[in-house]
Amino acid sequence: DTAVSQTPKYLVTQMGNDKSIKCEQNLGHDTMYWYKQDSKKFLKIMFSYNNKELIINETVPNRFSPKSPDKAHLNLHINSLELGDSAVYFCASSQTTFYSYEQYFGPGTRLTVT
Amino acid sequence: GNSVTQMEGPVTLSEEAFLTINCTYTATGYPSLFWYVQYPGEGLQLLLKATKADDKGSNKGFEATYRKETTSFHLEKGSVQVSDSAVYFCALSGQSGGSYIPTFGRGTSLIVHP
Repeated sequence: DTAVSQTPKYLVTQMGNDKSIKCEQNLGHDTMYWYKQDSKKFLKIMFSYNNKELIINETVPNRFSPKSPDKAHLNLHINSLELGDSAVYFCASSQTTFYSYEQYFGPGTRLTVT
Repeated sequence: GNSVTQMEGPVTLSEEAFLTINCTYTATGYPSLFWYVQYPGEGLQLLLKATKADDKGSNKGFEATYRKETTSFHLEKGSVQVSDSAVYFCALSGQSGGSYIPTFGRGTSLIVHP
């Protein structure tokens, strides 16, 4: 069983479209994250939810909106896609016990905006 | 805020060479420290971790020691293999405003030649 899964793995779309990426974890973790990785491999945290509550909301355009229907799922919706949104998006999860915050990452979704 | 600085790559080595990837950090309190590895086309995987000063994390022949006096967590391996070619990320999880926030370095690409 895959611990953290994302769909789709590849997403090619045109500027101005709206798209969603889904993430699910079966580890029983209480915290989930979205990251954006650019072409130089720089990893930027975007959002984090703990038990369905938004706890990290970094400076990202408000075209990006996370949604957590339950603590096993965290989806990312992107409105009015732009060329600069092209990147690999990773979902991750962790269990926030004291001193134990290692994260488990999904395989990534490669978004290409044309 | 918290930050992680790691050496720029790429680091290019011959098989069986000794590897060091330097990592230093800035954080308040007592963060947990991690090394993650990203193989081509995959998500990040936890390689090793250390949760308190002088702890040594180890896995797959890689080691790193949590040095609070020098705020460092350098990654070492005595004899690298071609299969170790990947991007390595140093990271910390430290307290910020009541939550534990993950902070990643920019990643160091390792290329091992036969």
